[in-house]
Amino acid sequence: GENVEQHPSTLSVQEGDSAVIKCTYSDSASNYFPWYKQELGKRPQLIIDIRSNVGEKKDQRIAVTLNKTAKHFSLHITETQPEDSAVYFCAASIRDYKLSFGAGTTVTVRA
Amino acid sequence: NAGVTQTPKFQVLKTGQSMTLQCAQDMNHEYMSWYRQDPGMGLRLIHYSVGAGITDQGEVPNGYNVSRSTTEDFPLRLLSAAPSQTSVYFCASKDAGGGTGELFFGEGSRLTVL
Repeated sequence: GENVEQHPSTLSVQEGDSAVIKCTYSDSASNYFPWYKQELGKRPQLIIDIRSNVGEKKDQRIAVTLNKTAKHFSLHITETQPEDSAVYFCAASIRDYKLSFGAGTTVTVRA
Repeated sequence: NAGVTQTPKFQVLKTGQSMTLQCAQDMNHEYMSWYRQDPGMGLRLIHYSVGAGITDQGEVPNGYNVSRSTTEDFPLRLLSAAPSQTSVYFCASKDAGGGTGELFFGEGSRLTVL
């Protein structure tokens, strides 16, 4: 099955700086790559996703890039704010209802 | 809409006991799934369903059963609880339409097996 690795496991950034989280996947047939944010004690929520026919997607301060050749994708958060502090999960799938998640990255934004 | 509703939110079991985690969604979503979340391991798929009457195994199905008799409900049964099943369980649903791939998660059920 699909194997998704996510790095780093923890990330501390100064407010206003950028944060980058990287994921690699094993199954070259995967074509859907979402990112979920989970605040402490809450449910995961989708923040952005990308499909394999697109190399980059941006939504305000969040962007995702995909390199299908290298089988890796990244989440970029610019101008970080305290409310960006959370656990972020990447995922990959062939069928978008059957996700394989990375282990998560705990992001802390220092004021 | 209530979205995805899970019950109970917290449960403590003794080894060997059985129980059912309930999941209901009111969005008429075709796809439903169960994940477990453990520290340092992300979310792992237990079982999923693509519609009423259809279920299939995910990555970690052992020790769990599911059924999907209606579109709305997707209960997860622990047959004989083990300490290794201590975890937070999330139910999720998704529209079968070709637009968004978004999974809608419930609030989670924290299970402790002693």
